[in-house]
Amino acid sequence: KAGVTQTPRYLIKTRGQQVTLSCSPISGHRSVSWYQQTPGQGLQFLFEYFSETQRNKGNFPGRFSGRQFSNSRSEMNVSTLELGDSALYLCATRDRPSNTGELFFGEGSRLTVL
Amino acid sequence: AQSVTQPDIHITVSEGASLELRCNYSYGATPYLFWYVQSPGQGLQLLLKYFSGDTLVQGIKGFEAEFKRSQSSFNLRKPSVHWSDAAEYFCAVAPTGTASKLTFGTGTRLQVTL
Repeated sequence: KAGVTQTPRYLIKTRGQQVTLSCSPISGHRSVSWYQQTPGQGLQFLFEYFSETQRNKGNFPGRFSGRQFSNSRSEMNVSTLELGDSALYLCATRDRPSNTGELFFGEGSRLTVL
Repeated sequence: AQSVTQPDIHITVSEGASLELRCNYSYGATPYLFWYVQSPGQGLQLLLKYFSGDTLVQGIKGFEAEFKRSQSSFNLRKPSVHWSDAAEYFCAVAPTGTASKLTFGTGTRLQVTL
């Protein structure tokens, strides 16, 4: 069974640009969460989607947004990029937002903002 | 708001020695507790989790963790470390009922000497 697939794995952008990252969950998984990982702030929760609806949201500015499609694939978008947005963005999926389901993480998309 | 403290940023142990990684959490009730491992360039892999019941939890790769409510701790242990255990380890908590929205500690980097 294929794991969580994130694309692109690496990308470089300049300040002011926007970026879209994609996450394809494990087959059958309908819940998708996004996390940002930086050396300074560590791992921080961005948001979670289930059935195309945002269910939880972290403390990030409105420049960070996401969506989920009917096939459970998810995208996150960061507009007006800042240097501080340079990070590893991790997607995590589970079959449903249950209390006990394990989160499976992808390998991440590493964004560098110049 | 919940928080997680991993007081050890970096730990070095010899192969075959025992290991204990510390984790303390702050939360009003008993949260869901997790340990994840991240190898370089990889996503996070769940080692073990605690939701309720037996306070000694067994995980994969020979790891175990003990939940101590009185100390608000969830320390990770392994009796004999292998060189392949070198990685970064993250403790995480989530409010009961929202296991997707994890709050992570800052991580402990484990180095294993031969």
